[in-house]
Amino acid sequence: SYELTQSSSVSVSPGQTARITCSGDILAQKYARWFQQKPGQAPVVVIYKDSERPSGIPERFSGFISGTTVTLTISGAQVEDEADYYCYCAADSRGVFGGGTKLTVL
Amino acid sequence: EVQLVESGGGLVKPGGSLRLSCAASGFTFSSHSMNWVRQAPGKGLEWVSSITSVSTYIYYADSVKGRFTISRDNAKNSLYLQLNSLRADDTAVYYCVRDTGDLDLWGQGTLVTVSS
Repeated sequence: SYELTQSSSVSVSPGQTARITCSGDILAQKYARWFQQKPGQAPVVVIYKDSERPSGIPERFSGFISGTTVTLTISGAQVEDEADYYCYCAADSRGVFGGGTKLTVL
Repeated sequence: EVQLVESGGGLVKPGGSLRLSCAASGFTFSSHSMNWVRQAPGKGLEWVSSITSVSTYIYYADSVKGRFTISRDNAKNSLYLQLNSLRADDTAVYYCVRDTGDLDLWGQGTLVTVSS
């Protein structure tokens, strides 16, 4: 089975750049997605195909892949970006989520 | 409105069964693969199962294989998850999720609590 590893927490001040990483061997072969989840809400996809941003997602969200690590970057993080972020990959007809990263913006 | 609405959650004793439903609206349900994803209280997301558009292929996480059964009725725009032999660690919010290659549409979730 595949595993995706994320750091448990990241903290930045408003306006700073937040970087959240996700590592796993499968990422060299399959696309990653990033989900944002705020308390009491369902997840929302913010990045797909490693670096594509869905319509309606602010431009400050971007994705990048290098080898077996994908990075979600929030340039000029806002207070409303405070949330849990999960990476996700589908491989061998199964889905795998990373453990999640709690982003604090204060 | 494009949406997914889950139902069927509740409190069940260990070893019991439950059937979750997901009603889809606002899009062509029969054209999309669908997934169930769950989240235990205070924990991360866990992929549970997926089914292709006309039920040709079905997949399960190892943690639920042999106990859970995913199905769909395209005529009713509905997705189902039959949960059998439930255990305490199955306690979670269960989300119905559309798969367009990306998990782009989520329901609000339905809570399943397994406790004696």
